[in-house]
Amino acid sequence: TQLLEQSPQFLSIQEGENLTVYCNSSSVFSSLQWYRQEPGEGPVLLVTVVTGGEVKKLKRLTFQFGDARKDSSLHITAAQTGDTGLYLCVGNYNTDKLIFGTGTRLQVFP
Amino acid sequence: DSGVTQTPKHLITATGQRVTLRCSPRSGDLSVYWYQQSLDQGLQFLIHYYNGEERAKGNILERFSAQQFPDLHSELNLSSLELGDSALYFCASSVGLAGGMSSYNEQFFGPGTRLTVL
Repeated sequence: TQLLEQSPQFLSIQEGENLTVYCNSSSVFSSLQWYRQEPGEGPVLLVTVVTGGEVKKLKRLTFQFGDARKDSSLHITAAQTGDTGLYLCVGNYNTDKLIFGTGTRLQVFP
Repeated sequence: DSGVTQTPKHLITATGQRVTLRCSPRSGDLSVYWYQQSLDQGLQFLIHYYNGEERAKGNILERFSAQQFPDLHSELNLSSLELGDSALYFCASSVGLAGGMSSYNEQFFGPGTRLTVL
């Protein structure tokens, strides 16, 4: 299974800090999703981005799809301890194929 | 609650044994995916079924098999279990297929089955 390259792999920050997670590929995707997974639970869908250059906001989370639809970023403003978890990007081709990101493990300390 | 159910929640068994994990997708979803997640690892895609038919295989061992039944629930069978098979097993469902006109293949994950092989 091919992987989308996510960076950083691990991130440990204090509450109130901002952070950005990147998801990069050389392939063009028809759409891309971001999921968050908390320990011991299943991933939960956060957002789907479809159009090149698209920006979507979910409270303190801002998602962007690259103009060429090859990359995406997730920016969290004023992180909270509840943001702790594993963040996964998943790219979709115009086929049955899904490409999973390598994951970014975020730990937010009080 | 994603609407995807998985049973059992926990399973403890011995090496060499066989187990069956069960997944019921969200109402109306035709696709079921199985994933394995070992401790502190990412999700490893195992297999995808759509409307009863196998669509794609990932890193699934020959000792593992799956099927999707006419009522769309799915089972993952793990046999000749080894210590290294201990992991969380997730299933996810989606409306249809990636790239389909009515779906971006957004997946909804179940709570997982934690398998421990002793």
